[in-house]
Amino acid sequence: GIQVEQSPPDLILQEGANSTLRCNFSDSVNNLQWFHQNPWGQLINLFYIPSGTKQNGRLSATTVATERYSLLYISSSQTTDSGVYFCAVGAGGTSYGKLTFGQGTILTVHP
Amino acid sequence: EAQVTQNPRYLITVTGKKLTVTCSQNMNHEYMSWYRQDPGLGLRQIYYSMNVEVTDKGDVPEGYKVSRKEKRNFPLILESPSPNQTSLYFCASSLSSQASSQAFFGQGTRLTVV
Repeated sequence: GIQVEQSPPDLILQEGANSTLRCNFSDSVNNLQWFHQNPWGQLINLFYIPSGTKQNGRLSATTVATERYSLLYISSSQTTDSGVYFCAVGAGGTSYGKLTFGQGTILTVHP
Repeated sequence: EAQVTQNPRYLITVTGKKLTVTCSQNMNHEYMSWYRQDPGLGLRQIYYSMNVEVTDKGDVPEGYKVSRKEKRNFPLILESPSPNQTSLYFCASSLSSQASSQAFFGQGTRLTVV
């Protein structure tokens, strides 16, 4: 099946810093989503971005499908950005809508 | 508001006592699925449904059952829960299993089996 690798596994920032999270995937995808898992365990949808670039406030994401990677940018980080960030991809076809998740990036933002 | 609703949010139960975790979506989505999340193993798909009365196993189906009698509901049934089913469970839905479509996740159900 499709493999998803996220980097870095851990990231520690001071409030106000910028960061880039990366997601590499091993095959063509028809779905790519970024999630933030908050301390209560909820998965918060950040972006649905199988290709192209999107922005939402301090967050933006870019997926280059032909090169099989996606980037999540966090600017001017805040302590509330702390948590785990997941990239998840869907390959379509016989995967029947299944999302394959990366192992996540644990982000800690200190005040 | 478009949403996927799971209940309960938290559950502690004893080994062998049957339980059901409910999942409902209000977006008229065809595709629904269940995932479990475990430390070191990430999120893995348990079962999925492509439409009413169409369900199939995901990657870790042992010990679980599902049904899809109505489009909006997709309950997860543990007939005889065991401690290794202690996990964080998520229900998800999307418009279609084939076309590129965003998946929406429920709030999660934290299950502890003692």
